[in-house]
Amino acid sequence: DIVMTQTPLSLSVTPGQPASISCKSSQSLLHSDGKTYLYWYLQKPGQSPQLLIYEVSNRFSGVPDRFSGSGSGTDFTLKISRVEAEDVGVYYCMQSIQSWTFGQGTKVEIK
Amino acid sequence: EVQLLESGGGVVQPGGSLRLSCAASGFSFTSYAMSWVRQAPGKGLEWVSVISSSDGSTYYADSVKGRFTISRDNSKNTLYLRMNSLRAEDTAIYYCARLSIAVFYCSSSSCYGGYFQHWGQGTLVTVSS
Repeated sequence: DIVMTQTPLSLSVTPGQPASISCKSSQSLLHSDGKTYLYWYLQKPGQSPQLLIYEVSNRFSGVPDRFSGSGSGTDFTLKISRVEAEDVGVYYCMQSIQSWTFGQGTKVEIK
Repeated sequence: EVQLLESGGGVVQPGGSLRLSCAASGFSFTSYAMSWVRQAPGKGLEWVSVISSSDGSTYYADSVKGRFTISRDNSKNTLYLRMNSLRAEDTAIYYCARLSIAVFYCSSSSCYGGYFQHWGQGTLVTVSS
């Protein structure tokens, strides 16, 4: 099974400052079809998860451009260029190259 | 607007059964694979099961294989999850989610593919005596 490991597990950020979350997979997420099966979700307090980024770096419809994803192979990063109050919640990375598994989550709060 | 509305959760004794439903609207239900993802209280997300758009192909997490059955009624735009032999560790919020693809892929070792584009609000299942 592919294990997804996120760091840090929690993050306290001043509004307007950047934030970065790392996600490492135990196996490469690059498929022979050329796609990399890595995604990012945000679960705001009391809500269901929402898709932010698909295939490493593509923002989903309606996602602000302050969110960006990067990486390749087994190492990936989600960056928020300027954190806003509405960005608080738990961020999860997910892989779907071998079943579907999530990282343990990174809780982001505002200082 | 895509809407997924789960129902059927509740309190059930260990060994009992429950059937969850997910009513879909706002999109062509027959064009997408559907899935269930759960979240134990205070914990992370765990994929449970997936079903393809039309041929009924299914796949399960090892933790529920043989106990849970996913199904869909395309005439009613509804997804189901039949849960038997429930255990305390099945206690969770169960989310219905729409995949980005119609049919998932299967290799010799597992099935895979796509991602969860839209999620319902979830329904809570509590397994307790």
